[in-house]
This record gives sequence, structure tokens and C-alpha cells, in this order.
Amino acid sequence: GAVVSQHPSRVICKSGTSVKIECRSLDFQATTMFWYRQFPKQSLMLMATSNEGSKATYEQGVEKDKFLINHASLTLSTLTVTSAHPEDSSFYICSARGERGSYNSPLHFGNGTRLTVT
Amino acid sequence: AQKITQTQPGMFVQEKEAVTLDCTYDTSDPSYGLFWYKQPSSGEMIFLIYQGSYDQQNATEGRYSLNFQKARKSANLVISASQLGDSAMYFCAMREVGGGADGLTFGKGTHLIIQP
Repeated sequence: GAVVSQHPSRVICKSGTSVKIECRSLDFQATTMFWYRQFPKQSLMLMATSNEGSKATYEQGVEKDKFLINHASLTLSTLTVTSAHPEDSSFYICSARGERGSYNSPLHFGNGTRLTVT
Repeated sequence: AQKITQTQPGMFVQEKEAVTLDCTYDTSDPSYGLFWYKQPSSGEMIFLIYQGSYDQQNATEGRYSLNFQKARKSANLVISASQLGDSAMYFCAMREVGGGADGLTFGKGTHLIIQP
């Protein structure tokens, strides 16, 4: 159980275009979803937290107009990288948690999306 | 200050040996959870083990155990009888309950390589 599906797994886009990444919880309702970014050989950095039906909370330094997050349902959150530039090339990975307030429940991660902007 | 510190960027271990991956943390929140994840080269994050701040006993999950020393604020991962498939990045992470944030804060990771 607790499967998180992320799509696409890889995407190559041209500079200036926008890319949408989907994160779905397949067998549970995700009240909260998290988006992380990971540069090569580095740790995961939290970009934003999204709760279903409300605006995402962005971490300091993350441009909310560039990284649009929508959490329209309890099973789907999307991250749109707008007007992508080569420096946005990275590994983006989403995670979800179904039990609000249960601090001992692990986050379930998608398999990640490797974005390359040319 | 870093909340999660992993001091071993890389480790080489002989197959079948036990290995300890270090993790220290920093928090003033009395309620927190500590997690270990494995990330193979394919990129997915695999949950390994969890330790709660109020847990009296060290967590164990199969070949994984967590050496929790609360006073020292350390939560080292021990892998017994290592296997070639254990080669991966390992991340220690923490969730602070009182901080208001639900997400996990990750350390920089340890790249573990198991040698035959």
C-alpha cells in the first residue's frame, strides 16, 4: 500500500517553455503533499508544502510564480515549472502523507522526475 | 545551523560486514521523529526505518536497526550482514512536531558502496 506515482519520470524541454509534473497517491488520500528538489549528489531540499484545496506554502528562496503548485484533489498534486531555464534542470520528487498530525508516519515518495532544460 | 548532520559523505564496506551510518540532529522540540531513507541510483526514495523521540527501545526492521542515543542527539543506522544491493545513498531525516511543518528535513546523505 501507500503508492505514490509521479509522471513523467524524465522530461527534456527547451528554455522558455513550461513543464508540468504530476504526483498521484494511488491507494490513499494525501492530505498533504510535498515537493522536493535534488541536485546531483546533494540532499533533498523542500520546495513547498501543499494541502488539498488551499494554497501551497513555499520555502524561503523558492519562487512561487516560477514553481506553480496545485493540489486540487486528495490524490493529485501538480508542479509546473514555468518559463524553464537551464538552471532549473534538476531532479524533482514529490511525497505524500495521508494522516494529518501523525508525525510517525513516513512520507511516501514518487519515483522522481529528471528535468533537463536545453 | 544544520538540523541533520551526516558526517560520512562516502563509505566502502566489504560484503557481509555490518555497517553503521552516522546521523546527528539538532532540535529543541521534545516531539520529533527520525527517519532513514535509501536512494538507489534510479532515484526513488525507499523508507527504511523510523524512531520516535519518545520511543524507549531502538527501532529494528529486518537487517536495519537504529541506534538511538537521545542525550547525544544521534540516530545512527546499522545495517547487518551487508549485501551488494545495499549500495546506495542513505539519508537521515527528521520531522519536528511542534515546528508546524509537516515535511522532512534531510541530511546530506552518505554514499554507501558494498564491495564483493
